Amino acid sequence: EAQVTQNPRYLITVTGKKLTVTCSQNMNHEYMSWYRQDPGLGLRQIYYSMNVEVTDKGDVPEGYKVSRKEKRNFPLILESPSPNQTSLYFCASRDESGQGWNSPLHFGNGTRLTVT
Amino acid sequence: GNSVTQMEGPVTLSEEAFLTINCTYTATGYPSLFWYVQYPGEGLQLLLKATKADDKGSNKGFEATYRKETTSFHLEKGSVQVSDSAVYFCALRLNSGSARQLTFGSGTQLTVLP
Repeated sequence: EAQVTQNPRYLITVTGKKLTVTCSQNMNHEYMSWYRQDPGLGLRQIYYSMNVEVTDKGDVPEGYKVSRKEKRNFPLILESPSPNQTSLYFCASRDESGQGWNSPLHFGNGTRLTVT
Repeated sequence: GNSVTQMEGPVTLSEEAFLTINCTYTATGYPSLFWYVQYPGEGLQLLLKATKADDKGSNKGFEATYRKETTSFHLEKGSVQVSDSAVYFCALRLNSGSARQLTFGSGTQLTVLP
């Protein structure tokens, strides 16, 4: 089954304790992206990657890091989490071949992060 | 800059009622327009799209028409079901090939009562 898998689904942590949220897709998609979803703000893009070893900042990259060492994986790293990073996070991927800019995004089921 | 404005929710309807969720946009250039749906506990999934003016996207009984003159892409369904309860996001993507240019609205929560 084609899917984007995020782990964990729920995470509670304390300020300053480094964490990683994993994301993996099995569709051989070139493009991957991280979003955060907050009430009244919709989805905002954190980072994206056009392909292996190619990453770029989205609209709200501060406090986050990513890496793309393999095509299927795109982990999100919070080196020193703060309470304002409490949010619902989504990883997504997209096929970039052909008219990739009109292909749909495939989303994971989300990771709800609470930073106290 | 580019932006998407959706009607504020939550929207509560009875089963078989008519649904409209308004969406308007501002964009530099000629965007493609999308509606995504998020069911409880899940990620977003594409519901329908339209890539040029006057195109109509449709899926699962939902429709939306790309109106360039009013910069709108309102979502409609003639008879909603309880299973349509979800959050609906309008989004735009500039036809420039830039990977950053997918902009989402704030989402509209729909609850359908039996």
